[in-house]
Amino acid sequence: AQTVTQSQPEMSVQEAETVTLSCTYDTSESDYYLFWYKQPPSRQMILVIRQEAYKQQNATENRFSVNFQKAAKSFSLKISDSQLGDAAMYFCAYRSAYNRDDKIIFGKGTRLHILP
Amino acid sequence: DSGVTQTPKHLITATGQRVTLRCSPRSGDLSVYWYQQSLDQGLQFLIQYYNGEERAKGNILERFSAQQFPDLHSELNLSSLELGDSALYFCASSVASGLNEQFFGPGTRLTVL
Repeated sequence: AQTVTQSQPEMSVQEAETVTLSCTYDTSESDYYLFWYKQPPSRQMILVIRQEAYKQQNATENRFSVNFQKAAKSFSLKISDSQLGDAAMYFCAYRSAYNRDDKIIFGKGTRLHILP
Repeated sequence: DSGVTQTPKHLITATGQRVTLRCSPRSGDLSVYWYQQSLDQGLQFLIQYYNGEERAKGNILERFSAQQFPDLHSELNLSSLELGDSALYFCASSVASGLNEQFFGPGTRLTVL
C-alpha cells in the first residue's frame, strides 16, 4: 500500500522569505501523481500544485514550486516570497495513475505559520 | 468556491444516532468522492461513486454507507454513531474517473456527543 509522510508537523517562516515543506512517499507503482493541497482556516481544500511522475520537469505555479526526486521518492514544496495568506495546513498527497483506483492518499500535514 | 456544495455545514448529534450528509457535485462532474478528516487519522478516503455506481472503496466502516443518485448528488449515511466518528467529512467531485482534478466541497463538521 502507498504511504505519504510529512515529517514536519509545524513550520514558521518570516513574511517575504522562502520556505520548503518536505514530503516523502512510498509506492511500488511507476506511474502516479503527486499533489500539494492547502487547507486555510476556512477548512476548504485547495489544490496548490501537482506533478505527474512521468515528467522530469518540476512543476511550478507562480510562487509555488516543487522539487520532485523520483528515485528518492521525495516531493518537497517551496514557497517563495511568503505572504500572510499562505498561512495554512499543507497536505502532500499521492494518487495512482491506474484507473482502478482514484483515491487520494494524504500525508498528516504541515501547519505553516507566517511571521509578520 | 469550488462549485461543490455540502449540507449541512455543522451537525451535532448523540451516540447511537444516524445522520445523512449530502453532497452536490460541480455541474457536469460524474465522480463523487467522500473523505473523512479527523485529528488522529488525518484525511482518509472513504468511497467513490462514478455515474451512480460504486467505483472504489477505502477505509469505510460497515456502519457507513453511501449512494449516488440519478441527478448525481450523493449522500453519506452514518449510523450507530460513536464519539470517534466526530470529524470533518469532505465530498469532492471530478469530471470523470482517472486523472481529472478532484474539487473539494467546504465539508460537514460532525460532532458526536
